[in-house]
Amino acid sequence: GESVGLHLPTLSVQEGDNSIINCAYSNSASDYFIWYKQESGKGPQFIIDIRSNMDKRQGQRVTVLLNKTVKHLSLQIAATQPGDSAVYFCAEKNMNDYKLSFGAGTTVTVRA
Amino acid sequence: SAVISQKPSRDICQRGTSLTIQCQVDSQVTMMFWYRQQPGQSLTLIATANQGSEATYESGFVIDKFPISRPNLTFSTLTVSNMSPEDSSIYLCSVTRRGQDTEAFFGQGTRLTVV
Repeated sequence: GESVGLHLPTLSVQEGDNSIINCAYSNSASDYFIWYKQESGKGPQFIIDIRSNMDKRQGQRVTVLLNKTVKHLSLQIAATQPGDSAVYFCAEKNMNDYKLSFGAGTTVTVRA
Repeated sequence: SAVISQKPSRDICQRGTSLTIQCQVDSQVTMMFWYRQQPGQSLTLIATANQGSEATYESGFVIDKFPISRPNLTFSTLTVSNMSPEDSSIYLCSVTRRGQDTEAFFGQGTRLTVV
């Protein structure tokens, strides 16, 4: 079936560097995408979202890029900090029934 | 935003028993969902909790194993029945409102270990 998936399971980043987390999706009908951060022992926390009629959206230290041509989503984190260490999930939201389909997750570890 | 409280936060249960997990939201929300997150895995949708009617289950999940209640707009329960070690997971409640750009909020999860 159609699914949302991630390219890399782990990412190690030097503190202060930029991080890029990638995600591939297969449902071309998806029109809303979200990035979540999950710290150990906690539920997923919303980071940023983007609609399919956009190709870029910026938040505080984060940017999401959407390439509908190749069905690719990425999350960029600027000046990565130790507090950014977590598992990051991309998800697509079905706007008919509001269900979320999650990708596999990327574990980000920030090196001091 | 919405603040979600899940109880219990964790439990260790004997196989063959059942556990009911509660999800309480601080505001009225339209949509409530239950997810399962197996160790080291992503989140998988179990079902949509419908107010006043039977939940809508995803493929691979059945009501006899995961009965769900939703008596009002702010409260839902998920029961994991006749548990086996394979049911050891984190169970998460999620809520959202209808609309095009509506954020989905998650509870902190219930970490279940079946021994």
